[in-house]
Amino acid sequence: DVKVTQSSRYLVKRTGEKVFLECVQDMDHENMFWYRQDPGLGLRLIYFSYDVKMKEKGDIPEGYSVSREKKERFSLILESASTNQTSMYLCASRPTRDRGNQPQHFGDGTRLSIL
Amino acid sequence: AQKVTQAQTEISVVEKEDVTLDCVYETRDTTYYLFWYKQPPSGELVFLIRRNSFDEQNEISGRYSWNFQKSTSSFNFTITASQVVDSAVYFCALEPNNAGNMLTFGGGTRLMVKP
Repeated sequence: DVKVTQSSRYLVKRTGEKVFLECVQDMDHENMFWYRQDPGLGLRLIYFSYDVKMKEKGDIPEGYSVSREKKERFSLILESASTNQTSMYLCASRPTRDRGNQPQHFGDGTRLSIL
Repeated sequence: AQKVTQAQTEISVVEKEDVTLDCVYETRDTTYYLFWYKQPPSGELVFLIRRNSFDEQNEISGRYSWNFQKSTSSFNFTITASQVVDSAVYFCALEPNNAGNMLTFGGGTRLMVKP
């Protein structure tokens, strides 16, 4: 079974802080994703990475950055947290399509509150 | 641009009732994949089904069934004889074949099954 692990289930930070959300997967997947989930809006893609040190912007990258130094780990960074970044954050991974068109596998999510 | 619409934001049923969750999508791509995910209260998104746009056969898995109709751009999900454990948020998602790895999610439908 694929395991995608997010470092925190709940996180409370203050406006202006630099916030790191960590995600680790154990299946040697090439592709990793960060989404945020807000009521009525579903999941929206922030960034994704298709390989180590590679990244692509999703639909809502503003205010975020990412880091992929190792294949199994994909970090989401809020450079200067703001209250409108209070949300549920979900990480996902999947292998490249050459290895079969598998669905994305998701972590349990991190509920982030910015005060 | 892609769009997925789940018009029902919340549905409440009594146990053993049948319930259908609607999903309508828009895409200009001729080849694409459609997905359903379940998000129980624990937060993790659980993959339920993937359907290729070339395969319009309906699918049944236990109490779950899916009706894909390309003519109406719909991919509806029916739960037969609902149970309390079916209570969750359900997401429909679209992945065009040439969109890299990007999924577009609907806003989700919260299903509440009461005993």
